[in-house]
Amino acid sequence: DAGVIQSPRHEVTEMGQEVTLRCKPISGHDYLFWYRQTMMRGLELLIYFNNNVPIDDSGMPEDRFSAKMPNASFSTLKIQPSEPRDSAVYFCASGGDSYYGYTFGSGTRLTVV
Amino acid sequence: GQNIDQPTEMTATEGAIVQINCTYQTSGFNGLFWYQQHAGEAPTFLSYNVLDGLEEKGRFSSFLSRSKGYSYLLLKELQMKDSASYLCAGGGNKLTFGTGTQLKVEL
Repeated sequence: DAGVIQSPRHEVTEMGQEVTLRCKPISGHDYLFWYRQTMMRGLELLIYFNNNVPIDDSGMPEDRFSAKMPNASFSTLKIQPSEPRDSAVYFCASGGDSYYGYTFGSGTRLTVV
Repeated sequence: GQNIDQPTEMTATEGAIVQINCTYQTSGFNGLFWYQQHAGEAPTFLSYNVLDGLEEKGRFSSFLSRSKGYSYLLLKELQMKDSASYLCAGGGNKLTFGTGTQLKVEL
């Protein structure tokens, strides 16, 4: 298995632009999570899905953030409009049986200038 | 809510043993995870405890006491490559992570 695949690996954009991050979870995993990591706040859960349905989006910072999971093999996190304070590493993770933990993708390093 | 505390940083010597502690107060507790994260990389799963006691996996062991809201990760025979951040995480399906303990292994 190729693991959790995220794209792009790096994204530099100007303030006000729309940013879309993509994630392909591991096949057969029914949970998908979007996390954001910064030095100041560590790993923060933004939203998670179970069987493609959003379960908890209480971590989404504000209306500028939205996430979708149209099918079991694809999810997007969109920021519109982006702001410099959104600069962070965004991780997607997927999982099934808790015993084996959740597998993280390599992350997308977002820089908003 | 969830609250997870762990030390910010620790230093240990190659070949030694180090214990990284984690205390938590969580609702909907469904187990306690430990992850390892090297600089610039993604967190990788190390261990999962759902019952009290010690789980051993090679050089790494993890302990849980649910009544005390306490866990630790024990690393034996430390190697330089063990220098990383170690993240404690708990909760139900909605995992909350601690801010991580930066471990530095020295010669």
